Amino acid sequence: DAKTTQPPSMDCAEGRAANLPCNHSTISGNEYVYWYRQIHSQGPQYIIHGLKNNETNEMASLIITEDRKSSTLILPHATLRDTAVYYCVANFGNEKLTFGTGTRLTIIP
Amino acid sequence: GAVVSQHPSWVICKSGTSVKIECRSLDFQATTMFWYRQFPKQSLMLMATSNEGSKATYEQGVEKDKFLINHASLTLSTLTVTSAHPEDSSFYICSARNYRRNEQFFGPGTRLTVL
Repeated sequence: DAKTTQPPSMDCAEGRAANLPCNHSTISGNEYVYWYRQIHSQGPQYIIHGLKNNETNEMASLIITEDRKSSTLILPHATLRDTAVYYCVANFGNEKLTFGTGTRLTIIP
Repeated sequence: GAVVSQHPSWVICKSGTSVKIECRSLDFQATTMFWYRQFPKQSLMLMATSNEGSKATYEQGVEKDKFLINHASLTLSTLTVTSAHPEDSSFYICSARNYRRNEQFFGPGTRLTVL
Protein backbone atom coordinates (compact mmCIF):
# COMPACT_ATOMS: atom_id res chain seq x y z
CA ASP A 1 0.00 0.00 0.00
CA ALA A 2 1.13 3.53 -0.69
CA LYS A 3 2.15 5.49 2.40
CA THR A 4 -0.27 8.17 3.54
CA THR A 5 0.50 11.26 5.61
CA GLN A 6 -2.06 13.06 7.75
CA PRO A 7 -1.82 15.86 10.31
CA PRO A 8 -1.85 14.39 13.81
CA SER A 9 -4.70 16.54 15.06
CA MET A 10 -7.28 19.11 14.02
CA ASP A 11 -10.04 21.10 15.66
CA CYS A 12 -13.29 22.15 14.04
CA ALA A 13 -16.19 24.18 15.36
CA GLU A 14 -19.51 22.41 15.64
CA GLY A 15 -21.71 23.05 12.63
CA ARG A 16 -18.82 23.96 10.39
CA ALA A 17 -17.36 21.83 7.63
CA ALA A 18 -14.41 19.72 8.71
CA ASN A 19 -11.79 19.31 5.99
CA LEU A 20 -9.27 16.56 6.66
CA PRO A 21 -6.29 16.37 4.31
CA CYS A 22 -4.29 13.34 3.31
CA ASN A 23 -1.15 13.07 1.22
CA HIS A 24 -0.50 9.93 -0.79
CA SER A 25 2.11 11.03 -3.28
CA THR A 26 3.28 7.49 -4.10
CA ILE A 27 -0.18 6.11 -4.81
CA SER A 28 -0.36 3.88 -7.85
CA GLY A 29 -2.93 4.19 -10.61
CA ASN A 30 -5.29 1.50 -9.39
CA GLU A 31 -5.05 2.10 -5.67
CA TYR A 32 -8.15 3.42 -4.00
CA VAL A 33 -8.25 5.99 -1.24
CA TYR A 34 -10.27 4.79 1.74
CA TRP A 35 -11.33 6.77 4.78
CA TYR A 36 -12.25 5.26 8.12
CA ARG A 37 -12.83 6.75 11.51
CA GLN A 38 -12.48 5.30 14.96
CA ILE A 39 -14.37 6.58 17.93
CA HIS A 40 -12.77 5.77 21.25
CA SER A 41 -12.86 2.05 22.12
CA GLN A 42 -14.81 1.08 19.02
CA GLY A 43 -13.91 -0.62 15.77
CA PRO A 44 -13.16 1.58 12.76
CA GLN A 45 -16.16 2.78 10.80
CA TYR A 46 -16.05 2.90 7.02
CA ILE A 47 -16.75 6.38 5.68
CA ILE A 48 -16.05 6.55 1.98
CA HIS A 49 -13.64 5.52 -0.73
CA GLY A 50 -12.72 6.65 -4.22
CA LEU A 51 -10.35 6.06 -7.09
CA LYS A 52 -10.25 9.12 -9.33
CA ASN A 53 -13.55 10.90 -9.18
CA ASN A 54 -14.87 12.84 -6.26
CA GLU A 55 -17.35 10.87 -4.20
CA THR A 56 -20.20 11.80 -1.89
CA ASN A 57 -22.38 9.76 0.39
CA GLU A 58 -24.61 10.43 3.36
CA MET A 59 -21.64 10.78 5.68
CA ALA A 60 -19.05 12.76 3.78
CA SER A 61 -17.50 13.91 0.54
CA LEU A 62 -14.14 12.84 -0.80
CA ILE A 63 -12.19 15.18 -3.04
CA ILE A 64 -9.22 13.64 -4.86
CA THR A 65 -6.78 15.89 -6.70
CA GLU A 66 -6.32 15.35 -10.40
CA ASP A 67 -2.82 13.97 -9.92
CA ARG A 68 -4.19 11.72 -7.14
CA LYS A 69 -1.34 12.67 -4.83
CA SER A 70 -3.64 14.01 -2.16
CA SER A 71 -7.24 13.99 -1.06
CA THR A 72 -9.55 15.74 1.38
CA LEU A 73 -12.35 14.26 3.40
CA ILE A 74 -15.13 16.73 4.04
CA LEU A 75 -17.67 16.40 6.81
CA PRO A 76 -20.14 19.10 5.75
CA HIS A 77 -21.70 19.95 9.11
CA ALA A 78 -19.59 18.59 11.92
CA THR A 79 -21.28 17.50 15.12
CA LEU A 80 -19.81 16.53 18.46
CA ARG A 81 -20.30 12.89 17.52
CA ASP A 82 -17.81 13.33 14.70
CA THR A 83 -14.98 13.59 17.23
CA ALA A 84 -12.77 10.63 16.37
CA VAL A 85 -9.50 9.53 14.83
CA TYR A 86 -9.75 9.60 11.04
CA TYR A 87 -7.61 7.28 8.96
CA CYS A 88 -6.78 7.69 5.29
CA VAL A 89 -5.62 4.44 3.67
CA ALA A 90 -4.44 3.73 0.12
CA ASN A 91 -5.31 0.24 -0.99
CA PHE A 92 -5.93 -1.83 -4.09
CA GLY A 93 -9.34 -2.70 -2.71
CA ASN A 94 -8.83 -6.38 -2.22
CA GLU A 95 -6.06 -6.49 0.33
CA LYS A 96 -5.20 -5.87 3.92
CA LEU A 97 -5.35 -2.29 5.10
CA THR A 98 -2.30 -0.60 6.54
CA PHE A 99 -3.25 2.08 9.01
CA GLY A 100 -1.09 5.08 9.79
CA THR A 101 -1.49 7.22 12.87
CA GLY A 102 -4.47 9.15 11.49
CA THR A 103 -5.83 12.57 12.41
CA ARG A 104 -7.46 13.12 15.75
CA LEU A 105 -10.39 15.42 14.97
CA THR A 106 -11.95 17.29 17.85
CA ILE A 107 -15.26 19.05 17.30
CA ILE A 108 -15.55 22.04 19.56
CA PRO A 109 -18.95 23.18 20.81
CA GLY B 1 -23.78 -0.39 5.91
CA ALA B 2 -22.70 -3.98 6.28
CA VAL B 3 -22.51 -5.37 9.79
CA VAL B 4 -19.68 -7.31 11.33
CA SER B 5 -20.06 -8.60 14.86
CA GLN B 6 -17.54 -9.80 17.40
CA HIS B 7 -18.02 -11.90 20.46
CA PRO B 8 -17.26 -11.38 23.23
CA SER B 9 -17.00 -7.61 23.43
CA TRP B 10 -14.69 -7.93 26.40
CA VAL B 11 -13.04 -10.74 28.31
CA ILE B 12 -10.87 -11.05 31.38
CA CYS B 13 -8.84 -14.21 31.82
CA LYS B 14 -6.06 -15.62 33.91
CA SER B 15 -2.55 -15.92 32.59
CA GLY B 16 -1.99 -19.24 30.85
CA THR B 17 -5.55 -19.75 29.68
CA SER B 18 -6.82 -19.62 26.10
CA VAL B 19 -9.40 -17.21 24.79
CA LYS B 20 -11.47 -17.52 21.62
CA ILE B 21 -12.84 -14.47 19.81
CA GLU B 22 -15.47 -14.83 17.09
CA CYS B 23 -15.95 -12.55 14.11
CA ARG B 24 -19.08 -12.80 11.99
CA SER B 25 -20.20 -11.02 8.85
CA LEU B 26 -23.95 -10.74 9.29
CA ASP B 27 -25.26 -9.74 5.90
CA PHE B 28 -22.63 -10.70 3.37
CA GLN B 29 -20.25 -13.54 2.67
CA ALA B 30 -16.62 -12.88 3.41
CA THR B 31 -14.01 -15.16 1.92
CA THR B 32 -11.39 -12.99 3.55
CA MET B 33 -11.33 -11.59 7.04
CA PHE B 34 -8.55 -9.73 8.81
CA TRP B 35 -7.48 -9.62 12.43
CA TYR B 36 -5.95 -6.50 13.95
CA ARG B 37 -4.60 -5.62 17.35
CA GLN B 38 -4.55 -2.17 18.88
CA PHE B 39 -2.65 -1.10 21.96
CA PRO B 40 -3.61 2.06 23.87
CA LYS B 41 -2.96 5.29 21.98
CA GLN B 42 -1.64 3.37 18.97
CA SER B 43 -2.96 2.62 15.52
CA LEU B 44 -4.34 -0.71 14.36
CA MET B 45 -1.72 -3.32 13.55
CA LEU B 46 -2.62 -6.14 11.22
CA MET B 47 -1.97 -9.55 12.72
CA ALA B 48 -3.18 -11.95 10.07
CA THR B 49 -5.35 -12.51 7.03
CA SER B 50 -7.95 -15.22 7.43
CA ASN B 51 -8.98 -17.07 4.27
CA GLU B 52 -12.04 -19.28 4.18
CA GLY B 53 -11.07 -22.88 3.73
CA SER B 54 -7.34 -22.35 3.88
CA LYS B 55 -4.57 -21.41 6.28
CA ALA B 56 -4.27 -17.91 7.57
CA THR B 57 -1.44 -15.65 6.50
CA TYR B 58 0.37 -14.06 9.42
CA GLU B 59 2.23 -10.79 9.49
CA GLN B 60 5.88 -10.73 10.39
CA GLY B 61 6.44 -11.07 14.10
CA VAL B 62 3.03 -12.62 14.85
CA GLU B 63 3.30 -16.15 16.25
CA LYS B 64 0.94 -18.42 14.38
CA ASP B 65 1.03 -21.05 17.10
CA LYS B 66 -0.02 -18.52 19.69
CA PHE B 67 -2.75 -16.80 17.68
CA LEU B 68 -4.75 -19.58 16.08
CA ILE B 69 -7.11 -18.54 13.31
CA ASN B 70 -9.90 -20.63 11.87
CA HIS B 71 -12.14 -19.51 9.01
CA ALA B 72 -14.43 -22.45 8.57
CA SER B 73 -17.32 -20.70 6.85
CA LEU B 74 -17.99 -17.66 4.69
CA THR B 75 -19.39 -15.74 7.64
CA LEU B 76 -17.26 -16.79 10.59
CA SER B 77 -13.62 -16.46 11.56
CA THR B 78 -12.24 -17.17 15.01
CA LEU B 79 -9.06 -16.02 16.72
CA THR B 80 -7.81 -18.05 19.66
CA VAL B 81 -5.17 -16.54 21.89
CA THR B 82 -3.45 -19.54 23.40
CA SER B 83 -1.67 -19.47 26.75
CA ALA B 84 -2.46 -15.81 27.15
CA HIS B 85 -0.10 -13.56 29.08
CA PRO B 86 -0.54 -10.01 30.38
CA GLU B 87 1.35 -8.62 27.38
CA ASP B 88 -1.41 -10.04 25.15
CA SER B 89 -3.88 -7.66 26.75
CA SER B 90 -5.11 -5.50 23.91
CA PHE B 91 -8.05 -4.49 21.75
CA TYR B 92 -8.59 -7.10 19.05
CA ILE B 93 -10.55 -6.06 15.98
CA CYS B 94 -11.63 -8.08 12.98
CA SER B 95 -12.73 -6.91 9.58
CA ALA B 96 -14.50 -8.60 6.71
CA ARG B 97 -14.15 -7.80 3.06
CA ASN B 98 -17.19 -7.46 0.86
CA TYR B 99 -15.81 -8.27 -2.56
CA ARG B 100 -18.88 -7.15 -4.44
CA ARG B 101 -18.70 -3.66 -3.04
CA ASN B 102 -14.91 -3.45 -2.70
CA GLU B 103 -15.35 -2.40 0.89
CA GLN B 104 -14.06 -3.64 4.19
CA PHE B 105 -16.09 -3.44 7.37
CA PHE B 106 -14.86 -3.72 10.92
CA GLY B 107 -16.27 -5.37 13.97
CA PRO B 108 -16.76 -3.47 17.23
CA GLY B 109 -13.65 -5.01 18.78
CA THR B 110 -12.91 -7.27 21.73
CA ARG B 111 -11.01 -5.98 24.71
CA LEU B 112 -8.87 -8.71 26.22
CA THR B 113 -7.40 -8.30 29.68
CA VAL B 114 -5.06 -11.00 30.92
CA LEU B 115 -4.41 -10.98 34.64
